[in-house]
Amino acid sequence: AQSVTQLDSQVPVFEEAPVELRCNYSSSVSVYLFWYVQYPNQGLQLLLKYLSGSTLVKGINGFEAEFNKSQTSFHLRKPSVHISDTAEYFCAVSVSGYSTLTFGKGTMLLVSP
Amino acid sequence: DTEVTQTPKHLVMGMTNKKSLKCEQHMGHRAMYWYKQKAKKPPELMFVYSYEKLSINESVPSRFSPECPNSSLLNLHLHALQPEDSALYLCASSQYSGSGTDTQYFGPGTRLTVL
Repeated sequence: AQSVTQLDSQVPVFEEAPVELRCNYSSSVSVYLFWYVQYPNQGLQLLLKYLSGSTLVKGINGFEAEFNKSQTSFHLRKPSVHISDTAEYFCAVSVSGYSTLTFGKGTMLLVSP
Repeated sequence: DTEVTQTPKHLVMGMTNKKSLKCEQHMGHRAMYWYKQKAKKPPELMFVYSYEKLSINESVPSRFSPECPNSSLLNLHLHALQPEDSALYLCASSQYSGSGTDTQYFGPGTRLTVL
């Protein structure tokens, strides 16, 4: 079975500062990795995904993530955050042959002026 | 169009009521999902339909009854719920390649309160 660990439950940061949200996974088979964002009182929106190929993945809203197989990580980064980036961020993994996602517990990004 | 719609947006019901949640997508997706999400927690998978057939039931109590009338529509029938069932109920849809690479698209959710 696979699992996802998001090491930080909350990350406070000032506006225009860079941010990294950490995600580690565990699986005995190859994985596909996703980052979703959830704004207050809304559903989840896909930020980016890694399926294969280049390990640096660019997503929407200026976010990017790097797949590191040796460290089993898929950390999310943004060079300069905005107040509007305040939201819950979920890392998720799926494996070949299955249509379901395994989610991490989420990281709340709190951006203040 | 990558939109999944859910109605109603909010629902308050008593423990003896019967109500239904509705989810619709017009992306031609053949997999549809129901999730339950409690505050400050990740979504928990409840049911998966693939090609209008129930393929996964994550040991959900029988007071939750899913239905997939056609490839675009997914319902969740609720009966005799408990206060602890209060949560955000999310619907999602995806292609169904079986490869694990399919992106799930989520609706905005129905906020359910059981009194």
